Amino acid sequence: DAKTTQPTSMDCAEGRAANLPCNHSTISGNEYVYWYRQIHSQGPQYIIHGLKNNETNEMASLIITEDRKSSTLILPHATLRDTAVYYCIVTRSSNTGKLIFGQGTTLQVKP
Amino acid sequence: GAVVSQHPSWVICKSGTSVKIECRSLDFQATTMFWYRQFPKQSLMLMATSNEGSKATYEQGVEKDKFLINHASLTLSTLTVTSAHPEDSSFYICSASVPGQGIEKLFFGSGTQLSVL
Repeated sequence: DAKTTQPTSMDCAEGRAANLPCNHSTISGNEYVYWYRQIHSQGPQYIIHGLKNNETNEMASLIITEDRKSSTLILPHATLRDTAVYYCIVTRSSNTGKLIFGQGTTLQVKP
Repeated sequence: GAVVSQHPSWVICKSGTSVKIECRSLDFQATTMFWYRQFPKQSLMLMATSNEGSKATYEQGVEKDKFLINHASLTLSTLTVTSAHPEDSSFYICSASVPGQGIEKLFFGSGTQLSVL
């Protein structure tokens, strides 16, 4: 799996968009970008994933650069409940669950 | 949606005793489950892969005799911390994926906070 780099922490005002970057410059052609988040003292939760096209679901949007070396997770209207650690993971779609978590980004949504 | 249940949510035990943590897939059969450990303010660290009907595969540096994993059925994996010591105090999390699906269908338990006195 390709290594990822994320900022350690970020703040966001409630109601504003939260943009969380992730660098994955060594990503391979068959690797996807996955995002999970972990709210304090809970298990991680899947958010979204993508290969090369931008993706959107009910939780977030994922923007992947054309060269696929970086991506941005966007929470369009952050709420206090979005305060969590966000993990960007790059792995093949054949991965059945053996995930290597980096340090992630701690997002603090402030009122 | 699919749910993974983990029990207990928290446990306190005396040093030297053993503690068992259960991980159940509630509405799907999981041939493979994963166990993670997380220390305060740190990321999740993969401990082992639990395989139904066969031996678990442990990550480098994880003592298999100390962290016993049993995956006797398609819906249950257990992690037993044997002869627990204070340094084993940690947050333990399991996960399982719906067979044939990608890790977007990977679900995590709510975790077990173990405190060893």
